[in-house]
Amino acid sequence: EVQLVESGGGLVQPGGSLRLSCAASRFTFSGYEMNWVRQAPGKGLEWVSYISSSGSSIYYADSVRGRFTISRDNAKNSLYLQLNSLRAEDTAVYYCATFYGSGNAFDYWGQGTLVTVSS
Amino acid sequence: QSVLTQLPSVSGAPGQRVTISCTGSSSNIGAGNDVHWYQQLPGTVPKLLIYGNSNRPSGVPDRFSGSKSGTSASLAITGLQAEDEADYYCQSYDGSHWVFGGGTKLTVL
Repeated sequence: EVQLVESGGGLVQPGGSLRLSCAASRFTFSGYEMNWVRQAPGKGLEWVSYISSSGSSIYYADSVRGRFTISRDNAKNSLYLQLNSLRAEDTAVYYCATFYGSGNAFDYWGQGTLVTVSS
Repeated sequence: QSVLTQLPSVSGAPGQRVTISCTGSSSNIGAGNDVHWYQQLPGTVPKLLIYGNSNRPSGVPDRFSGSKSGTSASLAITGLQAEDEADYYCQSYDGSHWVFGGGTKLTVL
């Protein structure tokens, strides 16, 4: 079954940067679109960013556009999210999630990585 | 404020039927985009529960069903069980953005 494992979260000061990674396995990563979804503590789900299977199409939520950058390395079966100019409101668990076979539903999710923005 | 609107909470007794609603607009659900539902048990990762408005992934009990009409969608749960107590989120597509509802907390009395 599809496996997604995020890493790279941690505590960072406001204005700082962080790079999240998502290691994919047990499926043909290069053939599937990927996303980042986040969940602030005690809050709901928020879609953050999308990247097509080839990386040629990329979209961002308005709340992160210009500060976050999504990318992928199909040779390494890995998805990334570069987080810059971090704010307190970016504090959340960040999940990578894939569109696997259910249209534009998030079929599979990683376990998440916590990003805490605080001084 | 979420693009898709859900009531914050709903409750029901074991064995009962409950419905969770999700209201969107002409740019998302009303534009013909599918609605999907997720279940998030306490302390766990969200799990796809219903996709494409009314389809269940393998392993999801048929007690869960989904429907869509106009700019709204609903998730119905019949034969309510204690293990159904969770947060439920609807999700759709809205012009190069994927949008979620704010979530509904289901309490089994």
